Amino acid sequence: AQTVTQSQPEMSVQEAETVTLSCTYDTSENNYYLFWYKQPPSRQMILVIRQEAYKQQNATENRFSVNFQKAAKSFSLKISDSQLGDTAMYFCALPISGNTPLVFGKGTRLSVIA
Amino acid sequence: GAGVSQTPSNKVTEKGKYVELRCDPISGHTALYWYRQSLGQGPEFLIYFQGTGAADDSGLPNDRFFAVRPEGSVSTLKIQRTERGDSAVYLCASSLGQGRSPLHFGNGTRLTVT
Repeated sequence: AQTVTQSQPEMSVQEAETVTLSCTYDTSENNYYLFWYKQPPSRQMILVIRQEAYKQQNATENRFSVNFQKAAKSFSLKISDSQLGDTAMYFCALPISGNTPLVFGKGTRLSVIA
Repeated sequence: GAGVSQTPSNKVTEKGKYVELRCDPISGHTALYWYRQSLGQGPEFLIYFQGTGAADDSGLPNDRFFAVRPEGSVSTLKIQRTERGDSAVYLCASSLGQGRSPLHFGNGTRLTVT
């Protein structure tokens, strides 16, 4: 069965500091995509970053980057220079298999403190 | 351009009543997904449409839940004989297809069954 595990229910970080959110998963696929989504209090899920499993280079989007360890099935999200607007729930997600919908982890609630 | 639109944003109904939740996807997106999100949890997959047909309905919890997408655009999630356990946020998302295409989410409908 497909699982996505986010082991940190809550985290906090000081403004301008760096924080890393962890995610591990299980899949039988070799080629797949992994995603991090952000859900602020407004409720809308927003795509933060996407990683292609067959690419060795870690994806980066401005202050957001991933540390993708395929063999370990680990996909962590690093947020640099944290801003108050980064306060939200963060979800890791990937397809169960090649053509199935995304399975989401339970999320990590991140609070950025001024 | 316009994003995914969900109506109503909030719905309160009595136990045993019938409800319909509407989703208007991004124009041109062939894939449409329904997820359910309980408090403090990640989204749970309900059903996925590719065009007009339900490609995967394995997440529907029981036969009280049904969804349609008759013209391959707008979708309606229908819940019969609602129960208090159906209370949750129902999220709709659309994408260009499976696998690599990221999901674009609406703001969700918060359903409360009293």
